[in-house]
Amino acid sequence: SQQGEEDPQALSIQEGENATMNCSYKTSINNLQWYRQNSGRGLVHLILIRSNEREKHSGRLRVTLDTSKKSSSLLITASRAADTASYFCATDATGAAGNKLTFGGGTRVLVKP
Amino acid sequence: GAVVSQHPSWVICKSGTSVKIECRSLDFQATTMFWYRQFPKQSLMLMATSNEGSKATYEQGVEKDKFLINHASLTLSTLTVTSAHPEDSSFYICSARSVSNTEAFFGQGTRLTVV
Repeated sequence: SQQGEEDPQALSIQEGENATMNCSYKTSINNLQWYRQNSGRGLVHLILIRSNEREKHSGRLRVTLDTSKKSSSLLITASRAADTASYFCATDATGAAGNKLTFGGGTRVLVKP
Repeated sequence: GAVVSQHPSWVICKSGTSVKIECRSLDFQATTMFWYRQFPKQSLMLMATSNEGSKATYEQGVEKDKFLINHASLTLSTLTVTSAHPEDSSFYICSARSVSNTEAFFGQGTRLTVV
């Protein structure tokens, strides 16, 4: 079952603009991860943030985590047409290799050139 | 990063036949692999957790006799959709996590169409 809810479900922006999407979850976590999926393809890991971290950066990506609100956000700055994809958050309760990830509903991002 | 290879990338089969999908971890050992199903414009729904050398753990509502999972080695898990029907048409994705990485690595996915 899905733990996370993502908002918005879809987002359309112009190239160069920033894209922000949010993820809320229900139970305690060890870490939260963001993935990207191009249409008809598998998922690619973008960034991981641990429960004791509040913010993390990777290139044009910025992720925040608020464990008190059980929410996370992903910001893509200076978006490019190639950023068009679906983005999913996934929560990990334990961090162990054998533990499953629980995915949110996803945000479909369209970056118009 | 680590690579997970899934094969085939797409398959069309007749109703009533069985289809096998393979998921291989190419450069790391995966004691656990995960099988997901994804409908268009929807999220990934976990079907089962595949454990090397033991039985898979299925999520509630997933028929284990319908979706047979075998994880015979540390680098290969297979999902067999038995007696496929049109409602089984979907995108199936596998993933694996190594003990040294917290992130999951995904296969390319398999588009199954049952006609």
